Amino acid sequence: SQKIEQNSEALNIQEGKTATLTCNYTNYSPAYLQWYRQDPGRGPVFLLLIRENEKEKRKERLKVTFDTTLKQSLFHITASQPADSATYLCASNNAGNMLTFGGGTRLMVKP
Amino acid sequence: DGGITQSPKYLFRKEGQNVTLSCEQNLNHDAMYWYRQDPGQGLRLIYYSQIVNDFQKGDIAEGYSVSREKKESFPLTVTSAQKNPTAFYLCASSIPGGGTSYGYTFGSGTRLTVV
Repeated sequence: SQKIEQNSEALNIQEGKTATLTCNYTNYSPAYLQWYRQDPGRGPVFLLLIRENEKEKRKERLKVTFDTTLKQSLFHITASQPADSATYLCASNNAGNMLTFGGGTRLMVKP
Repeated sequence: DGGITQSPKYLFRKEGQNVTLSCEQNLNHDAMYWYRQDPGQGLRLIYYSQIVNDFQKGDIAEGYSVSREKKESFPLTVTSAQKNPTAFYLCASSIPGGGTSYGYTFGSGTRLTVV
């Protein structure tokens, strides 16, 4: 079955810097990857989707890359703000076309 | 506003008791899903339904049951057979094949605790 790995350690950065989060997948080559934001005690909110034939996708201060050779997606937040502090989840489709989620990486942006 | 409503927000279950978590959506989505989230772990799929009156087991269906009698509603029952039910439960919906083009829409979750 698909396995999604994200760094379980929190990422602490200074306001204004670029945050980079990593998502690695094994066992199945997905057709697409998705990124979600989750605040404490809340449900995830969809941010971006990137397909296997897309190298990069942007939305405002967010950028996602998809490297099928490395089996990895990178999620970047430029000019980070304290309001960006949250847990970010990576997900991919699996063989049954359901979503498999990673455990998430917590981002803390300090003013 | 369109969205998914989960209730209750907090639920306490006694040993040997069945409890039902509610999930209602007004997005006109055909597909609905139930996930379980434990601290530090990814969301794990319990059950999903692609259409009314049909549903499929996910990766961790044992000890759970669902029904899909209406498009808008997908309740989850946590039975006494589920030995470790304490977790955060999330309901989601999507258009058919929604994951391929759009993300899932999630509710705010129900935190279930065994007392």
